[in-house]
Amino acid sequence: DIQLTQSPSSLSASVGDRVTITCRASQSITNYLNWYQQKPGKAPKLLIYAASGLQSGVPSRFSGSGSGTDFTLTISGLQPEDFATYSCQQSYGTWTFGQGTKVEIK
Amino acid sequence: EVQMVETGGDLVQPGGSLRLSCEASGFTFSSYAMGWVRQALGKGLEWVSAISGSGDGTYYADSVKGRFTISRDNSKNTVYLQMNSLRAEDTAIYYCAKEERAAGILHHDYWGQGTLVTVSS
Repeated sequence: DIQLTQSPSSLSASVGDRVTITCRASQSITNYLNWYQQKPGKAPKLLIYAASGLQSGVPSRFSGSGSGTDFTLTISGLQPEDFATYSCQQSYGTWTFGQGTKVEIK
Repeated sequence: EVQMVETGGDLVQPGGSLRLSCEASGFTFSSYAMGWVRQALGKGLEWVSAISGSGDGTYYADSVKGRFTISRDNSKNTVYLQMNSLRAEDTAIYYCAKEERAAGILHHDYWGQGTLVTVSS
């Protein structure tokens, strides 16, 4: 199976900060990479598909980039509602997820 | 509005069985593959199983292969997960998710609220 490793596992940030989360695949997955946001007690919500495609209804402060093995999720101007856990997912092979990155309030 | 509602989660003893259901609405159900994803308490997401829109194709994670069976009834807009020989490590919230393909890439665009399965004596 293709392994996805996210970094960092957690981070503290302030409202208005620019936040970057990285996801590294154990082999090339071209752009078969998606990003999800999950709040406590809630289901995951799709943010980004195909590495850089913004899901309908998702604010433009969220962006994704990368290809091959290295991918990035960027939040430009963190908002109070953005404090959550973010997970990457690959659909190149059997679906797998990263372990998640928790974004906490500083 | 797309909605998925999972039911069937419960407390079950090791070695027991359980069937989860996920009723969907708001889209042409038979046109989309559906999947199950689980999450143990405090842990990351783990894909469990998927089924094609027609039901002809089924797929499983190695961790559940031979114990879990996915199926669907397109007349009822419902997907099922039959879980047998349950183990403590199957304890998790189980989410139903709709598959979508955009820019040639599969992803899960809608998720249910989840149902809790606890395997314990």
